[in-house]
Amino acid sequence: NAGVIQTPRHKVTGKGQEATLWCEPISGHSAVFWYRQTIVQGLEFLTYFRNQAPIDDSGMPKERFSAQMPNQSHSTLKIQSTQPQDSAVYLCASSLDVWATQDTQYFGPGTRLLVL
Amino acid sequence: GMPVEQNPPALSLYEGADSGLRCNFSTTMKSVQWFQQNHRGRLITLFYLAQGTKENGRLKSTFNSKERYSTLHIKDAQLEDSGTYFCAAEGSGGSNYKLTFGKGTLLTVTP
Repeated sequence: NAGVIQTPRHKVTGKGQEATLWCEPISGHSAVFWYRQTIVQGLEFLTYFRNQAPIDDSGMPKERFSAQMPNQSHSTLKIQSTQPQDSAVYLCASSLDVWATQDTQYFGPGTRLLVL
Repeated sequence: GMPVEQNPPALSLYEGADSGLRCNFSTTMKSVQWFQQNHRGRLITLFYLAQGTKENGRLKSTFNSKERYSTLHIKDAQLEDSGTYFCAAEGSGGSNYKLTFGKGTLLTVTP
């Protein structure tokens, strides 16, 4: 079990460019979560999918950020027209089933995004 | 106030010492997870608790949903315990499955 896989591990983009971050959840897990970590804000929830369907995107900035889960083996987080304040570590997590008794979330290593 | 208040923000221990971290919640939470974030930034799951107490080696965690707090106790601290520890709670209402994190406790263990 390779755990949650995230690619790339590091990404540097120029202001205004697009960034796409990838997440491969643990095989068999039905729930996928995206979080963001910054020094100032700490760890913040962004969005979550269950069985590939978007359930809660209340943490996503309304503009420029979007997330998809086209199949059960990967999810993407896309940031259009990146800004310096988007610089953060983006973390993906998966859990077996949010309806399960113990829906522990397992985190990937994160993608460190730097917008210059 | 903050939904998850974690204390202390930083903690220094000598090897072999015991200490504890605490998270207080502003509302009733369904469950809590404790993580250690290592020097590479990886969040390592330590505990998941829906209630009660769990132990794993030198670590012990308690979650009291009614009293709205959780604790993580470290016994016989070792150098490799250094890192940032986070509690994260899952709300009990509706489909609130997302985790709300505390601000973390930076633990430094010295010889």
